[in-house]
This record gives sequence, structure tokens and C-alpha cells, in this order.
Amino acid sequence: QKEVEQDPGPLSVPEGAIVSLNCTYSNSAFQYFMWYRQYSRKGPELLMYTYSSGNKEDGRFTAQVDKSSKYISLFIRDSQPSDSATYLCAMISNAGKSTFGDGTTLTVKP
Amino acid sequence: ETGVTQSPTHLIKTRGQQVTLRCSSQSGHNTVSWYQQALGQGPQFIFQYYREEENGRGNFPPRFSGLQFPNYSSELNVNALELDDSALYLCASSLVHQAMNTEAFFGQGTRLTVV
Repeated sequence: QKEVEQDPGPLSVPEGAIVSLNCTYSNSAFQYFMWYRQYSRKGPELLMYTYSSGNKEDGRFTAQVDKSSKYISLFIRDSQPSDSATYLCAMISNAGKSTFGDGTTLTVKP
Repeated sequence: ETGVTQSPTHLIKTRGQQVTLRCSSQSGHNTVSWYQQALGQGPQFIFQYYREEENGRGNFPPRFSGLQFPNYSSELNVNALELDDSALYLCASSLVHQAMNTEAFFGQGTRLTVV
């Protein structure tokens, strides 16, 4: 079993929809939780990171962490065609080791 | 653009050959991490270099090796290439004293195909 499991998708939504992307994890040593966006043929780009349970907002993006359930989510409000990409969750343990999910591919249709 | 550049962008090699991939880190960053991303999967941590020393390694065999130079640029070397080594190889640079490398910036990657 993988340490980080990400909803595989793919996900296709109309423009303006609210998108929910989710990951679960099994390693209690994970302390930092990140979301990356990866466009085709590009490297991952850090969107948000957090280290505590709760919500963190940045514009149209909200990252949610529930450490008790070992569950993290990324919400995208008012989704745009430019949000079409693969979204990767990633976690860093207290030993500094990073582990990525396998990504969810999102398509936002105009 | 992140300021992290990788070369070459694409490469085709034959099984058994050796390959060297290069990464120039973002200005001011002293740490470089290398990842392997197979098609449809997330990046897998290979190793990290901090001030020219290896500073952590993932579950990869010794035929994966690296170097970091005084200017903090880095190389990834893979010997005895296997078909399963075909992947996107990513490097990420960061300042290690920042919180657990959360502020890592990725290059665009090198697409390696082994035939």
C-alpha cells in the first residue's frame, strides 16, 4: 500500500464549477502538506503548503488538512480553463523526506 | 519560470548505456533534489545534495549517482540503463534552512527514453 493515495481522476468539470481534489495518507510522521500543479511537459509548480489541521486560503484555492483522519483536500472555486492540469499532493515527513501522490488530471471545459 | 534549468530536455538512450543529466539551481539556492516521474505517477525522490554533499536518498539503486558543484549546479548520472528508467527526471532547488524544503522550485524536467 502506498503511503499517499490520491483520487485518480481524471476529472472533467464545466467552467465556474467548484473542484475538490483529495489525498489520504498513512504515515503519521508527515508534517507538511503541499499541493502542486503540473502542466503538460512542465515541472510541478507549488500552489500551497500547510503544516496544521484546518483550512488555508489563497485566492480561489483552499487547502484543507485533517490530521486526525489523515486526509487532505484542495478546493478550487470558480474553476477556469487555465486550471486544466495535473494536481499533485505531496507530504514531507519529520525526517525531511517528501512523498508525492500520483496526481489527478483536471480538465475545465469552457 | 522558476529559474531552475535542466538539460537536455529530451534524450534517447539504449539499454546498458550511461546518461548524465544536468541542473542549474535558482540563484541563491544551495540545495538540489532529484526526482524520477514515470508516466501517470507522481515524482519519486532519488536523492538530495546540500553544499556538495549527498543529504538523503530514496529507494534507488547505486547505479543512480549524483554530484553537486561549488556553484550549486548538479548532475544526475545513471549507469547501465534499463527500460524502466524511461521517465521524466526533475530537479528542484531550494534553501535547506527554509521550512522542510517546502519552497522547492522545479525545473521543466528531462524526458529520458531508454530503448
